[in-house]
Amino acid sequence: DSGVTQTPKHLITATGQRVTLRCSPRSGDLSVYWYQQSLDQGLQFLIQYYNGEERAKGNILERFSAQQFPDLHSELNLSSLELGDSALYFCASSVSGVTEAFFGQGTRLTVV
Amino acid sequence: AQSVTQLGSHVSVSEGALVLLRCNYSSSVPPYLFWYVQYPNQGLQLLLKYTTGATLVKGINGFEAEFKKSETSFHLTKPSAHMSDAAEYFCAVSRMDSSYKLIFGSGTRLLVRP
Repeated sequence: DSGVTQTPKHLITATGQRVTLRCSPRSGDLSVYWYQQSLDQGLQFLIQYYNGEERAKGNILERFSAQQFPDLHSELNLSSLELGDSALYFCASSVSGVTEAFFGQGTRLTVV
Repeated sequence: AQSVTQLGSHVSVSEGALVLLRCNYSSSVPPYLFWYVQYPNQGLQLLLKYTTGATLVKGINGFEAEFKKSETSFHLTKPSAHMSDAAEYFCAVSRMDSSYKLIFGSGTRLLVRP
């Protein structure tokens, strides 16, 4: 158990819909990263938050957004969903100044 | 820009044989390097990491990797494969000046034959 909790584990939704994925980082970790894993793109960095503020952005679509709350949990919002958004979404957390990231179990999103 | 290349999308070894998974990186500044393992329907688990210091890094489950700057490589090895090592392995690079985000290779699936 990495200490990073992601909910839900599985999500099935229709095209055009909006979903929210939730991540609770390890106790004490200020940094949260979101990654997308798909068969065609592999593991792609989406976005990072550090202590409530956006720190870095990767290949994140405009239809996607994220935030980190004062209690440090984070949410990834995916809207106007398309079939191609079906993927495994991972959250990872790390301590500030430490490079090691711990991953959650992921949320498997299926868009039908 | 950073990038990671993992040679071989699939590697098959016999139980008890040497495991060698190859990783080459590209980075204009000294990188931090990682190997993660992913078992079916699981998240990624850190096997080992190189940041600074000793270039031979030992990790969990008997794995080790050597950072070779001249070859820009960080290959993962294990002297004797176990059936339980069957999984997908990802090499990743990060840098302090890019918020430590991980850039992953495409992964290598390790198959262990009895």
